[in-house]
Amino acid sequence: EPEVTQTPSHQVTQMGQEVILRCVPISNHLYFYWYRQILGQKVEFLVSFYNNEISEKSEIFDDQFSVERPDGSNFTLKIRSTKLEDSAMYFCASSDRTENTEAFFGQGTRLTVV
Amino acid sequence: AQKITQTQPGMFVQEKEAVTLDCTYDTSDPSYGLFWYKQPSSGEMIFLIYQGSYDQQNATEGRYSLNFQKARKSANLVISASQLGDSAMYFCAMREGGDMRFGAGTRLTVKP
Repeated sequence: EPEVTQTPSHQVTQMGQEVILRCVPISNHLYFYWYRQILGQKVEFLVSFYNNEISEKSEIFDDQFSVERPDGSNFTLKIRSTKLEDSAMYFCASSDRTENTEAFFGQGTRLTVV
Repeated sequence: AQKITQTQPGMFVQEKEAVTLDCTYDTSDPSYGLFWYKQPSSGEMIFLIYQGSYDQQNATEGRYSLNFQKARKSANLVISASQLGDSAMYFCAMREGGDMRFGAGTRLTVKP
């Protein structure tokens, strides 16, 4: 069964450093998403990506965040200068283009900023 | 803008009983999808059930059913015959076009 894969599963970084979280969405999907979940809290929408551009972003997704689809398979989230409050689980998801299709989630990357 | 509300931060249910997890939503778009996801303690997001805004019948998937009341903008999840393995966080989500937003979640604990 096709699945969304995320790497790494856990990343520890020093405050102020740049991190890149990687995702390989399901191959025939057209919409890609990044979500963030601070431990024990709600799943927060960061950004959606369609047709090689951002379709919507939340207020969390400020200038320190960027997304890219560098090739036909990978979808990355970059955090330029990490802060302690960026520590969270980051989920990548992908879905087909219609409303009646669920988003398939990766296993997540746990980011710890120290 | 979308808004998803789950008013029950935590719920308890006795094993083998049924439980209803509430979800209300707000949208002005006539076309949307409603979803429920389960997040066990291991952290992964597991899709459970889907309801389309134009669907006439309530969705069912095994022990999961969705009580869809469109006029009230509610999409409650009903879990029948609860099992210990159902203990998890449950998130309601809505999708308009390409974007999907989540409610705050309900933590369900199944008691033996």
